[in-house]
Parts: sequence; structure tokens; C-alpha cells
Amino acid sequence: ETGVTQSPTHLIKTRGQQVTLRCSSQSGHNTVSWYQQALGQGPQFIFQYYREEENGRGNFPPRFSGLQFPNYSSELNVNALELDDSALYLCASSLDGTDHQPQHFGDGTRLSIL
Amino acid sequence: GESVGLHLPTLSVQEGDNSIINCAYSNSASDYFIWYKQESGKGPQFIIDIRSNMDKRQGQRVTVLLNKTVKHLSLQIAATQPGDSAVYFCAENEVSGYSTLTFGKGTMLLVSP
Repeated sequence: ETGVTQSPTHLIKTRGQQVTLRCSSQSGHNTVSWYQQALGQGPQFIFQYYREEENGRGNFPPRFSGLQFPNYSSELNVNALELDDSALYLCASSLDGTDHQPQHFGDGTRLSIL
Repeated sequence: GESVGLHLPTLSVQEGDNSIINCAYSNSASDYFIWYKQESGKGPQFIIDIRSNMDKRQGQRVTVLLNKTVKHLSLQIAATQPGDSAVYFCAENEVSGYSTLTFGKGTMLLVSP
């Protein structure tokens, strides 16, 4: 069974740039959620994709957007990067976004904004 | 919004001791809870979960207790090992059309040999 994989592992960008982060879900999982984890904090929910549609969204501005593909992999896009966007971005997959199923996380992408 | 909080930011124990990590939650609509372990440089790793219709669940060396009356969750680790050193998060899950996890800040568990 292949777990959740994310790429790249590290990324450095400057303010105003755009970034795309990628996630491959665990085999058999159709739901992907994205989280932002600031240093010393717990992860914060950004949004969730279920069967290629956004299924729920946290308190993040529209410059955070995403996609889910037919194979259930997903992308997180962030436009107009700000210094506060520096964080670990985590992707989690689960079997079903509307039931009590544990979310399994990848090791994240560390994004640094200069 | 409502969030999950932890009482102790750091817990130091000796190898072989039992560890107890506590968590308070505030959202009465939460009906599913998960404990995660996060090691440095890695993503959160699923440890154990519990639904709100249960008050106790056991896994390998771990037990989760849920007290809905006082909105309290705990993770007990038996015979703690150095490899258990990590940050532990409890997360609450409210399913309302979609499932999202709300995390607290975490508790650092330090296990001394």
C-alpha cells in the first residue's frame, strides 16, 4: 500500500510569486485535504477535495486554490505569496470525506518565503 | 472558531513509565477524535481514533479515553520508549457535509533512557 506522497519537500519563493504543491493520495483514497502548519502550531485546515470537487474550505483567502485529478492526486496553488505563507503544507487523504475515516498525512512541503 | 487545546505543552518521562497526554475540546458537535504523532521533519502519523459513542479504545500500547461530559480526551502510552518522543496532537472531527480536522497546538513528549 503506497502512502501519501508530496512534492517538492522544500521550496523557497519570494513575495508576490506563485507556487504549486503536489500530492498523491494513498491508494484507494478518494478524498484529499490540505493543511497549513506554522512552526510550533497544529495544522490548520485549508480545503478538501472529494471526487474532483472542493468539498469544504477553511478560513483561507481565495489566493489559496486547488485541484483534484481523476486519479485523486491533488494540487495546492498559492498566488501572490506573502511572508506569512511560510509554513509546512500538509496533504492528507482519506477513504471518504463524509464519514468517520482517519486522514493519513504525507510528510509535507516546507515553503519558505523571502 | 472553536478549537482543540492541550493542557501540557511538554511532558518529560523516563523510559518504561506510562505517559498520559490530555486534551480539551470545545466543539460539542464533534463526533470523532484522532490522536496523531508528529516526529521532527515528518507529517502527523495516525495513532488511534475514537468515535463519540465510545468512551475508551485500546490499541497496541496506547489507550484513548473520551469523556464527553467534560469534553476531555486523553492518550495513554504504556511502557514509554525513546522512540515515542515526538509532538502529539489530538484532533476533533465534525462531519457536516464534509469532514475536517481541528488540531490543537500539540504536546511534546520527551522520553529519557
